[in-house]
Amino acid sequence: AQKVTQAQTEISVVEKEDVTLDCVYETRDTTYYLFWYKQPPSGELVFLIRRNSFDEQNEISGRYSWNFQKSTSSFNFTITASQVVDSAVYFCALRQRNTDKLIFGTGTRLQVFP
Amino acid sequence: NAGVTQTPKFRILKIGQSMTLQCTQDMNHNYMYWYRQDPGMGLKLIYYSVGAGITDKGEVPNGYNVSRSTTEDFPLRLELAAPSQTSVYFCASSYDPPGLDEQYFGPGTRLTVT
Repeated sequence: AQKVTQAQTEISVVEKEDVTLDCVYETRDTTYYLFWYKQPPSGELVFLIRRNSFDEQNEISGRYSWNFQKSTSSFNFTITASQVVDSAVYFCALRQRNTDKLIFGTGTRLQVFP
Repeated sequence: NAGVTQTPKFRILKIGQSMTLQCTQDMNHNYMYWYRQDPGMGLKLIYYSVGAGITDKGEVPNGYNVSRSTTEDFPLRLELAAPSQTSVYFCASSYDPPGLDEQYFGPGTRLTVT
């Protein structure tokens, strides 16, 4: 069965701190896709990144970076030098190859204080 | 492009009433989805559609119905509303299945059933 676990319910940091949001997934398939979405206080979900299971290269986009490790079934998200605008709920999601559905984790609420 | 639009933004229903949540996308996307988000939880898939005339159940379809008569529209019908259906409802669309394409989300409909 597919499952996504985001064990951190809420994280609070002060601006300029680095923060890592954990995502652990379960799947029996060898081909799958992982995603991160951001949900700011306004409520809409914003796509951040997509990664397929064959691409284990880490990705960096500005202050955001993602660490994909198949050996530990994790796809962690790090924000460097956090800013107040990073305050949001962040969701990790998983899709297996032969389905059209995303399975979401329960989300991690990040609060960045000035 | 307006992207994915949802109406209404907010609604209060009495137990036993019915209503339709509207979702429209103008991106010519094949895939459309309805999710619900309960407080502190991730998104749960209610129904999805891979094209006009084709719909399928997600994780939590009970109490809901959908139809997809056009590519653009994917309304969600609640029959006999119950307090357990109090939630925020998100519609999403993508051109390809998740993994090949990101999902674009609407702004959400906040529904309260009392």
